[in-house]
This record gives sequence, structure tokens and C-alpha cells, in this order.
Amino acid sequence: GEEVAQTPKHLVRGEGQKAKLYCAPIKGHSYVFWYQQVLKNEFKFLISFQNENVFDETGMPKERFSAKCLPNSPCSLEIQATKLEDSAVYFCASSHGRPVGNTIYFGEGSWLTVV
Amino acid sequence: DAKTTQPNSMESNEEEPVHLPCNHSTISGTDYIHWYRQLPSQGPEYVIHGLTSNVNNRMASLAIAEDRKSSTLILHRATLRDAAVYYCILRDAGPDSWGKLQFGAGTQVVVTP
Repeated sequence: GEEVAQTPKHLVRGEGQKAKLYCAPIKGHSYVFWYQQVLKNEFKFLISFQNENVFDETGMPKERFSAKCLPNSPCSLEIQATKLEDSAVYFCASSHGRPVGNTIYFGEGSWLTVV
Repeated sequence: DAKTTQPNSMESNEEEPVHLPCNHSTISGTDYIHWYRQLPSQGPEYVIHGLTSNVNNRMASLAIAEDRKSSTLILHRATLRDAAVYYCILRDAGPDSWGKLQFGAGTQVVVTP
């Protein structure tokens, strides 16, 4: 596709429940990124993939967060046992690859509310 | 990681130019300067990027100081659709952190008719 597609747009989970978000990158893009926006302007990098391989996971909370990008499937970000502080907008983004000037394209985000 | 400093907000009248400053005094030689913007309820959108020379595209211009410790994004004629949060980001070209955008707090641009 011509845009990064994220589903669902909105998700509500009770504390302790699992949340799973999906992302279809732009066709032909080999890099996928996940970001978390908690407060209005604060972005946190979570993880990036080069094809199905983890490229950089320095931002991932290891305990409850996991992510995958499998061939021929949407990428996913899963949060086990959600907590109130996980409430945020989760953005997926994709890019062709290096050099560094290549644009990173963002999806519209998935709004997770933990109650 | 190199940090950027931007004003919290700026106001402009429609059809007038907007100059958005960004300070990045700890920029390294391999850092590219990127600008993204986020319209309400949308994901960030690429605006422009540069390394040393000034850059122009259909959306904006980027003026980079000679010492690279500051830059200015210029919107030539602001429209109501330009109302957004504008982020100045240093993007490391190094192999280990490529692709990881370090967002700051951004500048909220308000455009009045």
C-alpha cells in the first residue's frame, strides 16, 4: 500500500488484559519502527525492524512488551498485562532504508486506553 | 544523544511567513537535521532535512547556521492547514542508531485567519 496502515484505531483494555496492535508498512519498505506518544508531544522510540529481524530494541520495556515482523504478515506490537501507564498513542512507521536521508513515513496511530 | 531546543509555541497570521528556530549546540558531525510536523490526531509527517547546506522543497525551506549549532525552518506563506506541532530532530547517521528519531517537545504553530 501507499501508506502505513495501523489497526485498530482505538483499543480499550482493562488493567491486566493483553493488547495487540498491528501495522502494515508501505509496500517495498524494509524498515519498520514503533513509537509511543504518551503525553501530547512526548515521543518514545520502542523498537525497529529490518525486514523480519530486530534492528534496534533499545527502547522496548522488556517485561511486558514484545513485537514481531513476520514475512507476509502485518507487524505487531503486543503488551501483556497492560498497566494504566501504557495508555498512549502507538505509532508505526516505515522506511526504505539507508542512507539516513530516507524519509520515515508514519501511520495515523493506534490509541490505547487502559482503564 | 544530541538534544534540540525549540520555543513552545509561535503564532502567525495566514499568508505570512513563519520562522521556526531550533538550537542544537551539541550536534555531532554525523547528525542530520530533520523536521517533522504533527497535525491534530495524525502521525508525524516529514517536512524537510539537511546536513550543512540550506535546503528548499515544496513545503518549506531549511536554513542551517554555518557552525550547525542552530537551524530555522521557514514556512513561506502560512495557511490554516499548517497549524501543527513542528519537531526539530537530530538523526544520527551512525549504523547503530539509524532510523531512531529523537523527538523533542516541538513548537506548536498557531495560524490565525
